[in-house]
Amino acid sequence: EVQLLESGGGLVQPGGSLRLSCAASGFAFSNYGMSWVRQAPGKGLEWVTYISGSGDTTYFADSVRGRFNISRDNSKNTLYLLMNNLRVEDTAVYYCAKQDFRGYLNFFDYWGQGALVAVSS
Amino acid sequence: DIQMTQSPFSLSASVGDRVTITCRASQTIGVYLNWYQQKPGKAPKLLMFAAFTLQSGVPSRFSGSGSGTQLTLTIDSLQPEDFATYYCQQSYSFPYTFGQGTKLEIK
Repeated sequence: EVQLLESGGGLVQPGGSLRLSCAASGFAFSNYGMSWVRQAPGKGLEWVTYISGSGDTTYFADSVRGRFNISRDNSKNTLYLLMNNLRVEDTAVYYCAKQDFRGYLNFFDYWGQGALVAVSS
Repeated sequence: DIQMTQSPFSLSASVGDRVTITCRASQTIGVYLNWYQQKPGKAPKLLMFAAFTLQSGVPSRFSGSGSGTQLTLTIDSLQPEDFATYYCQQSYSFPYTFGQGTKLEIK
């Protein structure tokens, strides 16, 4: 059974940093790209960042580029999101999501339960 | 960036009704379109990928159609568990983008 378990959320002041982790199990972690998707309170879904299975390719949303970094440790089956220079508008539930693919078509087939990040003074 | 516009923003329907949600892309995305269902306090759940391929375990009353810039999700014979918020998402190119969501409520 595929499981994704986020941790590391919490309350942080503007300008602060936080690192989220996503522990994966039930699938060959290194074979799959992973993304972080966030949802501000009462709002829709926003894709944040992607990392390939090997970790050598990453993409970022403009809203977080230069402030957030995505990484993975395939030996630990764990995905990370390091968030620096946090802003109030980064307040959201952050989901890690596994990406599956059919040829060039890809989609988020499994999601974690989410980690709440609150940025406030 | 590819903008995804979903309509309607909200929808009120009864059990047994047929409803359709539309997603319009700002440029052609072929069939690189996925649909998710989200219930309050829960993570999104994949319903359909590649515009019309049903994810394993999803009931056949859900169907998808379209390609290019206009794609639709149809739910036939609504069931009580279908009342939720639905999102489309394009995977044609980065940055991936989602529609604003359609909240389906019980009439």
